[in-house]
Amino acid sequence: DVKVTQSSRYLVKRTGEKVFLECVQDMDHENMFWYRQDPGLGLRLIYFSYDVKMKEKGDIPEGYSVSREKKERFSLILESASTNQTSMYLCASSLLWGYNEQFFGPGTRLTVL
Amino acid sequence: GNSVTQMEGPVTLSEEAFLTINCTYTATGYPSLFWYVQYPGEGLQLLLKATKADDKGSNKGFEATYRKETTSFHLEKGSVQVSDSAVYFCALSAQGAQKLVFGQGTRLTINP
Repeated sequence: DVKVTQSSRYLVKRTGEKVFLECVQDMDHENMFWYRQDPGLGLRLIYFSYDVKMKEKGDIPEGYSVSREKKERFSLILESASTNQTSMYLCASSLLWGYNEQFFGPGTRLTVL
Repeated sequence: GNSVTQMEGPVTLSEEAFLTINCTYTATGYPSLFWYVQYPGEGLQLLLKATKADDKGSNKGFEATYRKETTSFHLEKGSVQVSDSAVYFCALSAQGAQKLVFGQGTRLTINP
């Protein structure tokens, strides 16, 4: 079974802090994705990566950056956390070739005070 | 552009009722279609999928048929249980695209 893990289930940070959210997948998937999920807004894509060191902006990249130094690991970075980044963050992965079904991690609920 | 529209929730049913959650899509070519489920406090899990017209995806008593003529992929279950309470997302993957396009999600609550 595909397993996608995220470093924390719950995280509380202060405004202005630099925040790292880590995601690891164990199925050798080429694609990895970061979403945020907010009530009434559904899932919104922040960034995705289709290969090591490659990244593409999603729908809402402002205030975020990403890093993919190894195939299995995809990090989301909040350079200077703000209260409007309080949200549920979901990581996913998928194969480059196929039907593009994505496999999701359990999510990290981030609160920025 | 590609889009997914699913029925707005919340939907509240009694145990053993019949469930339908409507999903329609707009896409060029032949997309793959998915239903995901999100239980409280968890990430999304793939519930079922269909990759070509007239395919029927099924899992855990849920079914959905890929209808190209009506551009629909409605989710159905004959007899729901309290444990089916969750948020359900319809999604599509367009041909040649790596990203999924999600609907807004439908919150389902089943009362005993």
